[in-house]
Amino acid sequence: DIQMTQSPPSLSASVGDRVTITCRASQDIRNSLAWYQQRPGQAPKVLIFDASTLQSGVPSRFSGSGSGTDFTLTISSLQPEDAATYYCQKYNTGLFTFGPGTKVDLK
Amino acid sequence: QLQLQESGPRLVKPSETLSLTCTVSGDSISSSSYYWGWIRQSPGKGLEWIGSKYYSGRTYFNPSLMSRVTISLDPSNNQFSLKLSSVTAADTAIYYCAKQEAIAARIFDFWGQGTLVTVSS
Repeated sequence: DIQMTQSPPSLSASVGDRVTITCRASQDIRNSLAWYQQRPGQAPKVLIFDASTLQSGVPSRFSGSGSGTDFTLTISSLQPEDAATYYCQKYNTGLFTFGPGTKVDLK
Repeated sequence: QLQLQESGPRLVKPSETLSLTCTVSGDSISSSSYYWGWIRQSPGKGLEWIGSKYYSGRTYFNPSLMSRVTISLDPSNNQFSLKLSSVTAADTAIYYCAKQEAIAARIFDFWGQGTLVTVSS
């Protein structure tokens, strides 16, 4: 099975900071990767799919890049409402595994 | 607007079967464009995909849970369900139902609010 890892497990940043989260797959998954945001007490919400395509309605400060095994989610200017846990998810095969998550806190 | 709502017992005894239903409104679960899936989240932990089912019957399962999981579709009531057998305390979690795109990017784009199920005697 393909394993998904994320780094860092958590980070603390200030409003306006650029934030980068990394997701790595143990095998090539092409661009079959999505990113989700989960705010405390809420269900997850998809931000990006196909590694770099912004889901409708998601602010443009979110962007994704990468292909193969290494992927990045970037928040260009962190906002208070971005305090959340972020998960990657692969879908290249019928095993729809999530990464372990990265918790983003505000300083 | 598509909406999903989980329902079912919130407390299940060890060794028994956990049963949840997801009621879908705003679209048909018989659509060829979607899978219908279940994801869970243990308290304070990350997301764990359980399984996804297509209208045709094709089902994908998390290998770690596959031997205990059944997912069914009920088109007449526009619902789908999850059964997890032989539960232990490790199965205590928030259980989410979700719609999953089936045509291109197989993302979970609509979620229920989630329901906490506790396994305890």
